[in-house]
Amino acid sequence: EAGVAQSPRYKIIEKRQSVAFWCNPISGHATLYWYQQILGQGPKLLIQFQNNGVVDDSQLPKDRFSAERLKGVDSTLKIQPAKLEDSAVYLCASSLDFGSYEQYFGPGTRLTVT
Amino acid sequence: AQKVTQAQTEISVVEKEDVTLDCVYETRDTTYYLFWYKQPPSGELVFLIRRNSFDEQNEISGRYSWNFQKSTSSFNFTITASQVVDSAVYFCALSEFGSSNTGKLIFGQGTTLQVKP
Repeated sequence: EAGVAQSPRYKIIEKRQSVAFWCNPISGHATLYWYQQILGQGPKLLIQFQNNGVVDDSQLPKDRFSAERLKGVDSTLKIQPAKLEDSAVYLCASSLDFGSYEQYFGPGTRLTVT
Repeated sequence: AQKVTQAQTEISVVEKEDVTLDCVYETRDTTYYLFWYKQPPSGELVFLIRRNSFDEQNEISGRYSWNFQKSTSSFNFTITASQVVDSAVYFCALSEFGSSNTGKLIFGQGTTLQVKP
């Protein structure tokens, strides 16, 4: 069974530029999560989708971050404009459904903002 | 408010030693889930275990064992006879099963384990 796919793996941009990350969850998984992991910290949830609807985006900086999950499968996370403090690893995860199901994580995208 | 604390930032052991990683959590919910994930240098978080709040039985899986104690709000993880391949960052996480029940994971800060040959 294929795991969660993410691209790109690495990205370096200058502040005020925009960037987009892509995630393809495990087939059949209804729930998709985007986490931000700053160096030395645990991942923090940015947004959660159930199929193509948003379940929780309370910690998403909506003035610069946006995300969508068209057709309830792939998802993109965008940052525009980027700030230095956005440097982090962006992890995508999926689970069969929301609730108690274990989440399966992708390899992440390491973003460096200079 | 929900919170997970992993007080040990870094642990270094020599191969074949046993090592315990501590995890203390805070939650107001009576129903919740606790998880351990491993993050090797490649960066991908690997699921290790899930435990619900009603099941306080300890669990053993090969060299790994988990001790869940509701009385002290702890969910500790022990690696027996550690190996170099165990070197990674380990995260403890909490998922509340209350009214929101979204499955959102609250992670601790992580413990970096280094196993030296």
